[in-house]
Amino acid sequence: KQEVTQIPAALSVPEGENLVLNCSFTDSAIYNLQWFRQDPGKGLTSLLLIQSSQREQTSGRLNASLDKSSGRSTLYIAASQPGDSATYLCASFSGTYKYIFGTGTRLKVLA
Amino acid sequence: GAVVSQHPSRVICKSGTSVKIECRSLDFQATTMFWYRQFPKKSLMLMATSNEGSKATYEQGVEKDKFLINHASLTLSTLTVTSAHPEDSSFYICSARDPGGAFSYEQYFGPGTRLTVT
Repeated sequence: KQEVTQIPAALSVPEGENLVLNCSFTDSAIYNLQWFRQDPGKGLTSLLLIQSSQREQTSGRLNASLDKSSGRSTLYIAASQPGDSATYLCASFSGTYKYIFGTGTRLKVLA
Repeated sequence: GAVVSQHPSRVICKSGTSVKIECRSLDFQATTMFWYRQFPKKSLMLMATSNEGSKATYEQGVEKDKFLINHASLTLSTLTVTSAHPEDSSFYICSARDPGGAFSYEQYFGPGTRLTVT
């Protein structure tokens, strides 16, 4: 059974810092790994999707990497801004057509 | 990208009553929709998979008679919380799979419904 874990659970950084969010999964037989952002009381916003054959994806200040063999993915946020404050969720997607979500990292970027 | 809506966004109901939440795919036909539940400061937990025209598949530990799911059309799935209790208070999020999308398995998420049972 797939388990997805995110470290750290919470993170508070000053504005402008580069930061890394970690996601680990136990079953490497995934189709893709996806990162989402969730603002308080809101739904999910898809940030980046990495297919199993890819190593990384980039969108603006965000870069996500995937290492299937080690069961890890990282989300790198460059030059963080207060508007980046949110909960970040990673989710693995496998042959069962189900997303298994991680525990989330609550990020707060201080102005 | 594809859009999924949920209605209502917030609902308050009394214990013992039933409440229905709708999930709609606005610009694509979704043969499969998913219902998730999220407790405060927790991650999303998959409750059930809703297949158009057939019975939903529930995850282990989710009560079928408590959480009724109907997927009557290719653009609409409903979740009915029956005989609601305060412990059913939660944030419910649906997602829909677009088989015609760039990735046939990609899902699009709705904005969520906040249910409060008093």
